[in-house]
Amino acid sequence: GEDVEQSLFLSVREGDSSVINCTYTDSSSTYLYWYKQEPGAGLQLLTYIFSNMDMKQDQRLTVLLNKKDKHLSLRIADTQTGDSAIYFCAENPLTGTASKLTFGTGTRLQVTL
Amino acid sequence: DAGVTQSPTHLIKTRGQQVTLRCSPKSGHDTVSWYQQALGQGPQFIFQYYEEEERQRGNFPDRFSGHQFPNYSSELNVNALLLGDSALYLCASSYLAGGPNEQFFGPGTRLTVL
Repeated sequence: GEDVEQSLFLSVREGDSSVINCTYTDSSSTYLYWYKQEPGAGLQLLTYIFSNMDMKQDQRLTVLLNKKDKHLSLRIADTQTGDSAIYFCAENPLTGTASKLTFGTGTRLQVTL
Repeated sequence: DAGVTQSPTHLIKTRGQQVTLRCSPKSGHDTVSWYQQALGQGPQFIFQYYEEEERQRGNFPDRFSGHQFPNYSSELNVNALLLGDSALYLCASSYLAGGPNEQFFGPGTRLTVL
């Protein structure tokens, strides 16, 4: 079945690192994604990782994938107040097919001064 | 590049009415997907259009229908509106042959059903 789970809330201080975690269930997922949603806005694609990779780094963002445990994480280095938003992980559950994304419920990141 | 655009931004309807939402994809994209995002939830997949046909559908009733035009833009229609249809409706565009299936989202249409 398709089910993506995330913790609901994370609070960090400005300048610290944030780690947002996600677990998924569909082992056939070829790509996994992280999206950011600011209040009243649509979703912004931050990064994605292919399922045969363990890690992907993109500037302040680091994605770690543990395929055995079906665990995905997003680390934001040097977190800024502008990073305050809801972060969604998503999986593309059908192998080799550009298809629907299944999203988690989102993690609200609060950055304090 | 204007990115993905949606109209209208906000909409208020009453139960039983019908609504049409519109989406223009990002330049170069040929596939449009629609999602419903209820308050406090992640987006839920409604359906996807490619080459003017519904390619894949999520767990939504037939009251939800759509269309894709030759210029790749798309409409989402909802008939016989229910209170539970109140949500943010998001359109995402992508390029079908692109490996990573990067879906780019518009700002959404906020639908309120009274």
